[in-house]
Amino acid sequence: GAGVSQSPSNKVTEKGKDVELRCDPISGHTALYWYRQRLGQGLEFLIYFQGNSAPDKSGLPSDRFSAERTGESVSTLTIQRTQQEDSAVYLCASNRLAAYEQYFGPGTRLTVT
Amino acid sequence: ELKVEQNPLFLSMQEGKNYTIYCNYSTTSDRLYWYRQDPGKSLESLFVLLSNGAVKQEGRLMASLDTKARLSTLHITAAVHDLSATYFCAVTYGGSQGNLIFGKGTKLSVKP
Repeated sequence: GAGVSQSPSNKVTEKGKDVELRCDPISGHTALYWYRQRLGQGLEFLIYFQGNSAPDKSGLPSDRFSAERTGESVSTLTIQRTQQEDSAVYLCASNRLAAYEQYFGPGTRLTVT
Repeated sequence: ELKVEQNPLFLSMQEGKNYTIYCNYSTTSDRLYWYRQDPGKSLESLFVLLSNGAVKQEGRLMASLDTKARLSTLHITAAVHDLSATYFCAVTYGGSQGNLIFGKGTKLSVKP
């Protein structure tokens, strides 16, 4: 079956511009997570959606970062007024209710010039 | 605050040798994960360990969990080049769902 998909796969943007990253979770997965991976580093949690509950935004690094999710489907991560330190790979993951394993998408590589 | 430390961060091995990667975490966790990441690729789930004393094996990799010591190990037996990748451990708490806290990763290079 289809896995988690993300788009675009690569994004180059100028400092100060806004960007939108998209994640399509696996069908039927109620939970969706966004993580950031800087070069050579582990993953940092950003935000977590579970069904129709209020999202856990505790990992968002600043108010320039926001995310939305419509029901149990697509999510978009928006970064406003991008900075060079936002350059990273942004990974999305999803899992089913009461399931332990998180399935990761291929990521979006964001480069801010 | 839950923190995860892996060591070593870099590991160069010869084919055929054995080695262990260690993962320590700072507070009680429900479960521990091991992931593999190839360069430029996403994460591939290797193991999910749910209880004290859990041991799981897949091919040349074996993972174990000691919740009392807050320690997990990933043991590599008779390494082969195909195992070259970065290995991450991650922990979480709070039921079946919740964000993962990752270690910095161990970059493994297996040389002939």
